[in-house]
Amino acid sequence: DSGVTQTPKHLITATGQRVTLRCSPRSGDLSVYWYQQSLDQGLQFLIHYYNGEERAKGNILERFSAQQFPDLHSELNLSSLELGDSALYFCASSVVHGREQFFGPGTRLTVL
Amino acid sequence: EDQVTQSPEALRLQEGESSSLNCSYTVSGLRGLFWYRQDPGKGPEFLFTLYSAGEEKEKERLKATLTKKESFLHITAPKPEDSATYLCAVKEGAQKLVFGQGTRLTINP
Repeated sequence: DSGVTQTPKHLITATGQRVTLRCSPRSGDLSVYWYQQSLDQGLQFLIHYYNGEERAKGNILERFSAQQFPDLHSELNLSSLELGDSALYFCASSVVHGREQFFGPGTRLTVL
Repeated sequence: EDQVTQSPEALRLQEGESSSLNCSYTVSGLRGLFWYRQDPGKGPEFLFTLYSAGEEKEKERLKATLTKKESFLHITAPKPEDSATYLCAVKEGAQKLVFGQGTRLTINP
């Protein structure tokens, strides 16, 4: 158990819908990262937050957004969902930049 | 952009048969190379961080080494429970990890 928690574990929804994925980092970690893992693309970095502020963006679609709250938990919002958004979404946390990232168990999103 | 290539894509070994997984990378200024283990449907589990050429880290049957162009994950006398996908990643900039596609390792009893 990495200490990073994610909810829900599974999410099944329809195209065009909006969902919110939630992540709680390890105690004491200020950095939260979101990654998407699909069969053909592997693990892809989406976005990084540090102590409530956005610090880096990867190949994140405009339909996706995230935020980190004062209690350091983070949410990833996915809207206007398409079939191709079906994937595993992971959250990771680290104590500071540049150190190893610890991953949560992931949320499996299925868009029908 | 930084690139990470892992080989082989898949490897099947008999229990006790030692081998190595390769991770080659192109990066302007390595800020860290990371190895993770991932079981099906689970999150990647951190194994090692390497920062400079010549560095080595060990944990049970696993040993990771680093050169200027590549890293190796050596598996000595593996057991069936070592079966998993092993992921290599490099740090790009200050924040993001760039992952390879992974090596799917199967250890037969």
